[in-house]
Amino acid sequence: DIQMTQSPSSLSASLGDRVTISCRASQDISSYFNWYQHKPGKAPKLLIYAASSLQSGVPSRFSGSGSGTYFTLTISSLQPEDFATYYCQQSYSLPLTFGGGTKVEIK
Amino acid sequence: EVQLVESGGGVVQPGGSLRLSCAASGFSFDDYAMHWVRQVPGKGLEWVCGISGDGGSTNYADSVKGRFTISRDNSKNSLYLEMTSLRTEDTALYYCAKERDYAEYFFDYWGQGTLVTVSS
Repeated sequence: DIQMTQSPSSLSASLGDRVTISCRASQDISSYFNWYQHKPGKAPKLLIYAASSLQSGVPSRFSGSGSGTYFTLTISSLQPEDFATYYCQQSYSLPLTFGGGTKVEIK
Repeated sequence: EVQLVESGGGVVQPGGSLRLSCAASGFSFDDYAMHWVRQVPGKGLEWVCGISGDGGSTNYADSVKGRFTISRDNSKNSLYLEMTSLRTEDTALYYCAKERDYAEYFFDYWGQGTLVTVSS
């Protein structure tokens, strides 16, 4: 199975901050990589697919980059609605696997 | 508008069985593979299983293989998860999720989940 390791596991940031979350795969997964946002009691939301493609309807302050084994999610200017937990996921091979999550909290 | 609504969760004893359902609307259900993903309370997401649009192909995580069965009824726009020989470690919030496109293996829509608690 492909292991996905996210860092940090949590972070505190202020409104307007630039935030970067990273995820590392245990083997080369090319660009078969995705990011989700999850708020308590809500359905997870797809943000980025294929490492850097913005899902329809997602604000442009979210961006993704990387390929191979190292990937990042950047929020250019943190907004109140962005406080949530973010998960990475590889779609290269079964079983599909997720990172452990990064909780973004208000400083 | 795409909607996925899970139901069927509840409390069950270890060794027991439960059947989850997911009612889908707002898209051509039989054109898309569907999956179940779970989240142990306070933990991360774990892919459980998936099924192709025509129901002819299924895949399972090793942790549930032989105990869980995914199925679908395209005439009812519904996805199911039959869970048997349940263990305490199966306690989780179970989400159904729609695959964005053929063989992409990521999910553009999710339900809000149904809670399964395995406890004596």
